[in-house]
Amino acid sequence: DIQMTQSPSSLSASVGDRVTITCRASQSISSYLNWYQQKPGKAPNLLIYAASSLQSGVPPRFSGSGSGTDFTLTISSLQPEDFATYYCQQSYSTPRTFGQGTKVAIK
Amino acid sequence: QVQLQESGPGLVKPSQTLSLNCTVSGGSVSSGSYYWSWIRQPAGKGLEWIGRIYTSGSTNYNPSLKSRVTISVDTSENQFSLKLSSVTAADTAVYYCARVNYGGNGREIDYWGQGTLVTVSS
Repeated sequence: DIQMTQSPSSLSASVGDRVTITCRASQSISSYLNWYQQKPGKAPNLLIYAASSLQSGVPPRFSGSGSGTDFTLTISSLQPEDFATYYCQQSYSTPRTFGQGTKVAIK
Repeated sequence: QVQLQESGPGLVKPSQTLSLNCTVSGGSVSSGSYYWSWIRQPAGKGLEWIGRIYTSGSTNYNPSLKSRVTISVDTSENQFSLKLSSVTAADTAVYYCARVNYGGNGREIDYWGQGTLVTVSS
């Protein structure tokens, strides 16, 4: 199985801050990397697919980059509705695997 | 707008079989470029991929669960199903059904069900 490791596991930030979350794969996954946002009690919601493509309807303050083993999710200016947990997921091979999640909390 | 809705018992006894259905509306399980997955999430923990099924009926399962999992599709009812046998307390989780778009570059999960909590307890 491909292991996905996110860092940090949690962070505190203020509204307006630039936030960066990193995801590392245990082997190369090309650009088969997706990012999801999950709020408490809700299903995850797709933000970024194929490492850098913004899902329709997602605000452009979200962006993704990377390829191979190292990937980044950036929120350019954190908004109140962005406080949530973020997961990366590899779609290169089965079993699909997720990172452990990064919880973004209010400072 | 595609919607997915999980249904099934919320309480299952240890050693029995967990059975869930996912009904798809606003789209067809027979649509090309999509396949259908189950994912679960224990309380306060991360996401675990259970498996997937193509419209053709072809399946792939997580090796950690493979011996206990069966995913099937019923095109006439526009739904797909999950069966997990010999459950234990470790199978207690919120179970999500999901659609995966494999027609593009990401093979991403673009629609999720709301999730259903299944508790394994006697």
